[in-house]
Amino acid sequence: KAGVTQTPRYLIKTRGQQVTLSCSPISGHRSVSWYQQTPGQGLQFLFEYFSETQRNKGNFPGRFSGRQFSNSRSEMNVSTLELGDSALYLCASRDLPYSNQPQHFGDGTRLSIL
Amino acid sequence: AQSVSQHNHHVILSEAASLELGCNYSYGGTVNLFWYVQYPGQHLQLLLKYFSGDPLVKGIKGFEAEFIKSKFSFNLRKPSVQWSDTAEYFCAVNADTGRRALTFGSGTRLQVQP
Repeated sequence: KAGVTQTPRYLIKTRGQQVTLSCSPISGHRSVSWYQQTPGQGLQFLFEYFSETQRNKGNFPGRFSGRQFSNSRSEMNVSTLELGDSALYLCASRDLPYSNQPQHFGDGTRLSIL
Repeated sequence: AQSVSQHNHHVILSEAASLELGCNYSYGGTVNLFWYVQYPGQHLQLLLKYFSGDPLVKGIKGFEAEFIKSKFSFNLRKPSVQWSDTAEYFCAVNADTGRRALTFGSGTRLQVQP
C-alpha cells in the first residue's frame, strides 16, 4: 500500500507570493491533516479535513487555508507569504477523524521563503 | 488545552546503553498517546501507541513505553540502543478519544555513538 504522498518536495518562493501544496492520503484513508514543522515551534497542527469539510483547525492566521476533494486528496494554500512561513509542511492521513487510530505522515514539502 | 512536554532536548548515548526519554502531558480527560520517530531524511513513523488497557506498551524495534496516569507521563524506553536509533523522537497526545488534534512535544534528538 502506497504511503502518504506530498508534492512538491521542495519549493522556493518570495515574500508576498502564494503557494499550493498537495497531499494524497493512503488509499482508504478519508481524513487528512496538515502540520507545520519548524525548529523553533516544532510540529503544529494546521487543520484536518474529512468528506471535503474542515473538521478541526489550529491556531494559524487565515492566510493558511485548505481543501479536500472527493477522492480525499487535499491541498493547502498559503497566501501573502512571509519569511516566517519557511517550514516543513507535513500531511498526515488516517481512516476517519475522531478516530484513535494513529496518523500516517508523508515526507513533507519544504517551503523556503526568500 | 492539551500540551506535551519533552524535557530532554538532546541525548547522546553510546551503543548498548539504555534509553529513557521523558514525556509529560497536561490534560485531565481521556487521552491517546503516541511516540513517533523521525530518522534523518525520512518521514515521521509511528513507534508505538497507547489507547487503553495494559499501561506498558511495546512497539517496533524493541521500544516500549509506560503510561503512568497519576504522573501524566508516557516515557519511552529501550534497554540497549543501536547506532541506527539515531533520530528525533516525538511524543504526541490526542485527547477526547481523537476528537482533538494531535499535539506534539518539542522532540528529543537522540545521537547514538558507535
